[in-house]
Amino acid sequence: EDQVTQSPEALRLQEGESSSLNCSYTVSGLRGLFWYRQDPGKGPEFLFTLYSAGEEKEKERLKATLTKKESFLHITAPKPEDSATYLCAVSSNTGNQFYFGTGTSLTVIP
Amino acid sequence: KAGVTQTPRYLIKTRGQQVTLSCSPISGHRSVSWYQQTPGQGLQFLFEYFSETQRNKGNFPGRFSGRQFSNSRSEMNVSTLELGDSALYLCASSLDPRTYSGVLFFGSGTQLSVL
Repeated sequence: EDQVTQSPEALRLQEGESSSLNCSYTVSGLRGLFWYRQDPGKGPEFLFTLYSAGEEKEKERLKATLTKKESFLHITAPKPEDSATYLCAVSSNTGNQFYFGTGTSLTVIP
Repeated sequence: KAGVTQTPRYLIKTRGQQVTLSCSPISGHRSVSWYQQTPGQGLQFLFEYFSETQRNKGNFPGRFSGRQFSNSRSEMNVSTLELGDSALYLCASSLDPRTYSGVLFFGSGTQLSVL
């Protein structure tokens, strides 16, 4: 069964303190792995798509990487405005839906 | 370009009632998906419509239904509401999630409270 597990559930960082969020997945034929950011009271906002192991994508202080079993979202020198819930999702070659993890709630303290 | 629009933003209903939620996708997007989001379960897939046809359905009871119109706008309906239906209902539009681009664009959601 396709599934996604994210860890940790919550993370508190001091401003400037780098860290990583983990997304472990099980899928029968990965079509794509997606990272989204969700702010309170809003819908998820797309960040990255990764398609194959070894692929990396960067955007400002965020960098996403992918292996055959997991993906990491690295946050370098975070700022308070990076505080949000980060969601990971996968889509498979055999299905027509996305499977989402329950997210990591990130709080960056000034 | 306007984003995904969901109405209403908030809704309060009582058990046993029914509710209809509306979603207008981004212009040109033919696929609309619906998700239920709760603090404990995260985003759970309800169904996906493409060109007025339901292509895929999640593991929800038959009380949850939807439809898509020729202009790609979509509605979802929940009949005989239960307390456990309280959640944020998110609509997402896409060109076609079957393609590698597969990015979903989400609306802000409808927060449904069932009393």
